[in-house]
Amino acid sequence: QVQLQESGPGLVKPSGTLSLTCAVSGGSITSSNWWSWVRQPPGKGLEWIGEIYHSGRTNYNPSLKSRVTMSVDKSNNQFSLKLSSVTAADRAVYYCTRDSAWINNYDGSGYFRAFDIWGQGTMVTVSS
Amino acid sequence: DIQMTQSPSSLSASVGDRVTITCRASQSISRFLNWYKQKPGKSPKLLIYGASSLQGGVPSRFSGSGSGTEFTLTISSLQPEDFATYYCQQSYSTPWAFGQGTKVEIK
Repeated sequence: QVQLQESGPGLVKPSGTLSLTCAVSGGSITSSNWWSWVRQPPGKGLEWIGEIYHSGRTNYNPSLKSRVTMSVDKSNNQFSLKLSSVTAADRAVYYCTRDSAWINNYDGSGYFRAFDIWGQGTMVTVSS
Repeated sequence: DIQMTQSPSSLSASVGDRVTITCRASQSISRFLNWYKQKPGKSPKLLIYGASSLQGGVPSRFSGSGSGTEFTLTISSLQPEDFATYYCQQSYSTPWAFGQGTKVEIK
């Protein structure tokens, strides 16, 4: 059973860089899955930040793209998120997720993808 | 970018009630629509993918339907553990986007 565990500082200074790591256990980060980061400000909804494949290929949310960098560490079976120039608006619970795919048997167009495994989440506060 | 809108934002219901939540996409997304359940302080949990396919281990009282721009999540007989916030999410094209959530509360 694949499990994900986020880690990193819970407090980041304004204008600083948020850095989080997601450790993958019970499976390999080189499996045929994309790996994503999703965040949730207190009392608000979910926002997708971006995704990475074990090859290093990435897709980022355009709303955060200029500040986001994701990377994969295959030797340690983990992936990471860096978000630069943080402000109070970046205060949120940050989740790492596994993105799995299922064959689309309805019309054969591609695969259905969904976040099927989530870490427990880690709260990051931005304050001096 | 595709925008997702859920309705209602919240609802009150009793144990045993049939509950329906609607999700609309700003453009056609075929059946590339997922539903998640989130309890307070917990991570979201995948319920349904591909608009109507039940994720393993999810009770059969949950069902999903729809295609194109309009989708529904139905709970046929609400149970105490179903009181939570539900989110839809489109998986048609990046950036993946979630609806704003529907909070199901106890009446």
